[in-house]
Amino acid sequence: QKEVEQNSGPLSVPEGAIASLNCTYSDRGSQSFFWYRQYSGKSPELIMSIYSNGDKEDGRFTAQLNKASQYVSLLIRDSQPSDSATYLCAVNSFQKLVFGTGTRLLVSP
Amino acid sequence: ETGVTQTPRHLVMGMTNKKSLKCEQHLGHNAMYWYKQSAKKPLELMFVYSLEERVENNSVPSRFSPECPNSSHLFLHLHTLQPEDSALYLCASSQAKGDYGYTFGSGTRLTVV
Repeated sequence: QKEVEQNSGPLSVPEGAIASLNCTYSDRGSQSFFWYRQYSGKSPELIMSIYSNGDKEDGRFTAQLNKASQYVSLLIRDSQPSDSATYLCAVNSFQKLVFGTGTRLLVSP
Repeated sequence: ETGVTQTPRHLVMGMTNKKSLKCEQHLGHNAMYWYKQSAKKPLELMFVYSLEERVENNSVPSRFSPECPNSSHLFLHLHTLQPEDSALYLCASSQAKGDYGYTFGSGTRLTVV
């Protein structure tokens, strides 16, 4: 079992729709969770962090965490073509970040 | 300079060359990391330095040699690389334990010919 699993996609959504990105993880002791956005040819950029069960909103982004189900998600409202990128889920496991392979998001105009 | 700076941005080297990648962070962090990113693979953690001590080496071949002279600088020395070592090499920094996430540099795109 992979430590952090994500669907590689691509996930295609039309402009203005809600994009939903999902991630599961294996280490039940993990306490901090992150979403990174990576544009093609660029380095990952931290966009959201979440530490407690429930939802955390920041602008058009909402991160959701369910530790019992070992599940993290990222919702992007009013998706824009500029949101087209690969989104990496990262989980702090044994004091280091473990990354998923990322989900490629395509937002069509 | 702010954030995490990596040089060079691009590097082409022959299999018999020796080169070094440089990383510098201006965030006051006390842990630094080298990652390798190949196509369609997750980020692979190569080395971790915390408080200037190497705390992790994930079975990386000896042709990759890290150096951390102080908490702001990190190097990756390369020699006798193989074509399969071609990848994006990313440096990152954080407060120790990474509870607040890592900040990445812009990466070095390495091509081994």
